[in-house]
Amino acid sequence: EVQLLESGGALVQPGGSLRLSCAASGFTFSSYAMSWVRQAPGKGLEWVSGISNTGSNTHYADSVRGRFTISRDNSKNTLYLQMNSLRVDDTAVYYCVKVVYSSTWHFAYWGQGTLVTVSS
Amino acid sequence: DIQLTQSPSFLSASVGDRVTITCRASQGISSYLAWYQQKPGKAPNLLIYAASTLQSGVPSRFSGSGSGTEFTLTISSLQPEDFATYYCQQLSSYPRVTFGPGTKVDIK
Repeated sequence: EVQLLESGGALVQPGGSLRLSCAASGFTFSSYAMSWVRQAPGKGLEWVSGISNTGSNTHYADSVRGRFTISRDNSKNTLYLQMNSLRVDDTAVYYCVKVVYSSTWHFAYWGQGTLVTVSS
Repeated sequence: DIQLTQSPSFLSASVGDRVTITCRASQGISSYLAWYQQKPGKAPNLLIYAASTLQSGVPSRFSGSGSGTEFTLTISSLQPEDFATYYCQQLSSYPRVTFGPGTKVDIK
């Protein structure tokens, strides 16, 4: 059974930093691309960042480029999101997502999410 | 970036109703479209990918159609557990994907 368990969410002041982790199990982690998707309170879904299975290719939404860094440790089956220079509008639940390719890409499995609150 | 719109943004329906949600893309995306269901406090759940392929384990009352710029999600007979918010997602520009604004399905 695929399991994705996010952690690291917290209350942080504007300008602060936080690192999210996503522990993956139930599948061969090193074979799959992964992504982070966030959802601000009462709002819709926003793709944040994606990483290839080897970690050699990374991509970011314009809203976080230069402030967030996605990475992975395939030996630990863990995905990370380093978030720097946090802003109030980064407040959201952050979901870790396993990306699958079968005729097209799709976001097949989602973690339960971890809440990041940016406030003074 | 490819933009998605959904209509309606909210709909009120009864158990047993046939429900249709439309998703439109700002440019052609072939069949690179997925649909998700999200219940309050829960993560989104994949229903449909490649515009019309039912994800494993999803009830057959859900179906998807369309290609290019216009897509639909249909629930053939609404069940109590289907009251939720539904999002479309374009993956034509993967990994830089975008989501529609959502359609909330509520109980009439």
